[in-house]
Formats: sequence, C-alpha cells, structure tokens
Amino acid sequence: GENVEQHPSTLSVQEGDSAVIKCTYSDSASNYFPWYKQELGKRPQLIIDIRSNVGEKKDQRIAVTLNKTAKHFSLHITETQPEDSAVYFCAASNSDSWGKLQFGAGTQVVVTP
Amino acid sequence: DGGITQSPKYLFRKEGQNVTLSCEQNLNHDAMYWYRQDPGQGLRLIYYSQIVNDFQKGDIAEGYSVSREKKESFPLTVTSAQKNPTAFYLCASSIREADQPQHFGDGTRLSIL
Repeated sequence: GENVEQHPSTLSVQEGDSAVIKCTYSDSASNYFPWYKQELGKRPQLIIDIRSNVGEKKDQRIAVTLNKTAKHFSLHITETQPEDSAVYFCAASNSDSWGKLQFGAGTQVVVTP
Repeated sequence: DGGITQSPKYLFRKEGQNVTLSCEQNLNHDAMYWYRQDPGQGLRLIYYSQIVNDFQKGDIAEGYSVSREKKESFPLTVTSAQKNPTAFYLCASSIREADQPQHFGDGTRLSIL
C-alpha cells in the first residue's frame, strides 16, 4: 500500500521568513496530493491540493510543488505570520483508492514574532 | 465544515463499556471515514465506507465497529475490546472519486474514567 513520509517533524521560523515541508510517497500510481492545516484541538482543514497533471500550484502565500519522477511533493509558505503556526499534514491517494487518503505524520510549524 | 457534525464533543468511557460516537453529514457525500489521532501524532484510519451498507477496515480497526445504514450517518462504536481508547476521533466525508478532498468534522475527544 501507499506510504507517505513527511519532514521535518517540527519547524521553527521567524515571522516573515519562508517555511518548506517535504513529503515523499511510495505508490507511483498516486495522483492526488492534498495539504491540511490543523490548529490545536481543531479539525484539519484543506489549505491546498494538487493533482498529478500539474507540477505547481499557488494560492496567495501558499504553494505546492510536485515531482512525480522523484515521488515527492512540497508545501511552501512565504512571508510567514504567527497565525500560520499549526500542524500541517500531507496526504496522497490514487484512483484505485476512491478517495482513501494516506497521511504523513505531520509537521508542527511555529512562527515566532 | 458546517456540513459534518460530530457528537458529543467530549465523551468519557468506563471500563468494560461500549460507547458510540456520532457522525452526520449533509454534504451528500458517498464516502465517509473515521480516524484516530493521538497527541502529537498523525491521523490513523479506523474504518471507511464508500457507499451505504458497505464499509472496510482501515489500519487500526481492532476494538472498533461501524455501521452505514444511511448515506448521512456513519457512527463509530468503541468497544470494550479497545484497551487504549483515549484519543481524538475525527470523522470525514468526501465525494467518491479518486481526486477529491476529505472534509472533517470537529472531532470527539474520548477519555477513560
């Protein structure tokens, strides 16, 4: 089955700097890669997703890149703000799984003023 | 998301007791999922259902049971066989297609008395 690895497990950045989180996946058939943000005690919320027919997608300060050959994808947050502090999860799924996602272990991001 | 309602928000279980967590969605989604989240850890899939009257075990199904009698509802029972049930339980739903995001409820925090 699919295995998703996520690094780093914790990330501390100064406000205004960029943050990058990387994930690798094992199943070459995976074709959908969402990213979720979870604040303490709250539900995970989708912040951005990318499908395998696209190499990069951007939404304001957030971008995701996908390298299908190397089987890895990354989340980039620019101009970080204190409200970006949260746990971020990557995930992957393929057409055979009908929406079933395999999640990474999560990255705790702390943005210090 | 306002479309997925989990109840109760907090639940306490006594030794030897079964408890049922409720999950209702009005998003007209075919697929529904239950995850367990332990402190500082990622999401582990307990059970999932892609259609009414059908469900499959996830990665950690032992000690849990589910039913899917209605499209809108996917209750999870934590049985007395689950010896370490203290965790945050998240329900999610999605369109039953390969590249669609899951939407989460607010979660239920279960503790042992």
